[in-house]
Amino acid sequence: GAVVSQHPSWVICKSGTSVKIECRSLDFQATTMFWYRQFPKQSLMLMATSNEGSKATYEQGVEKDKFLINHASLTLSTLTVTSAHPEDSSFYICSARRASDEQYFGPGTRLTVT
Amino acid sequence: GEDVEQSLFLSVREGDSSVINCTYTDSSSTYLYWYKQEPGAGLQLLTYIFSNMDMKQDQRLTVLLNKKDKHLSLRIADTQTGDSAIYFCAEMVGANNLFFGTGTRLTVIP
Repeated sequence: GAVVSQHPSWVICKSGTSVKIECRSLDFQATTMFWYRQFPKQSLMLMATSNEGSKATYEQGVEKDKFLINHASLTLSTLTVTSAHPEDSSFYICSARRASDEQYFGPGTRLTVT
Repeated sequence: GEDVEQSLFLSVREGDSSVINCTYTDSSSTYLYWYKQEPGAGLQLLTYIFSNMDMKQDQRLTVLLNKKDKHLSLRIADTQTGDSAIYFCAEMVGANNLFFGTGTRLTVIP
């Protein structure tokens, strides 16, 4: 099957610091990766779409300078939350897709900013 | 964005059938999906249906699509305690845009 991993699975950081979350497709090459955010008891909201080697496309209302996305290779995308604040606390989920295929979701990363 | 709506909670007794409903607004959606999310975990694709189909059955799961009413449902037969989770419907609009519903928390009572 197609497996997507995320690291770390949970992280606690102090307000004002930056946090990097990794998303890896373990057994396939992902042409496109997606980052979602899930608030407690709410649905997932797409934050951005990234294609390997090009800049990410951010959804309306998502600050690209705050949520830095780097899709360095066909198996790795990173999301960096810069100068994190408590309101950034959330569950971040990535998904990866190979050409003409469904999206495969990672297990998610729970970020808590104190 | 697109509106995809679900009821928030559903409780059923073990062995009964569960029916989770979803309504969506975009008539141009190509595929509609059902995902399962267990506590603290990511999403697991359960099943999907192409928009020109009206029914799909996969073991205990039956998906019904009423495209005229933009209504999607997931029926789980012989619901087990392991089915307790949050279920999200999602519609694919265009090539990349996946819009999720609010999620339905299914509780299975032993």
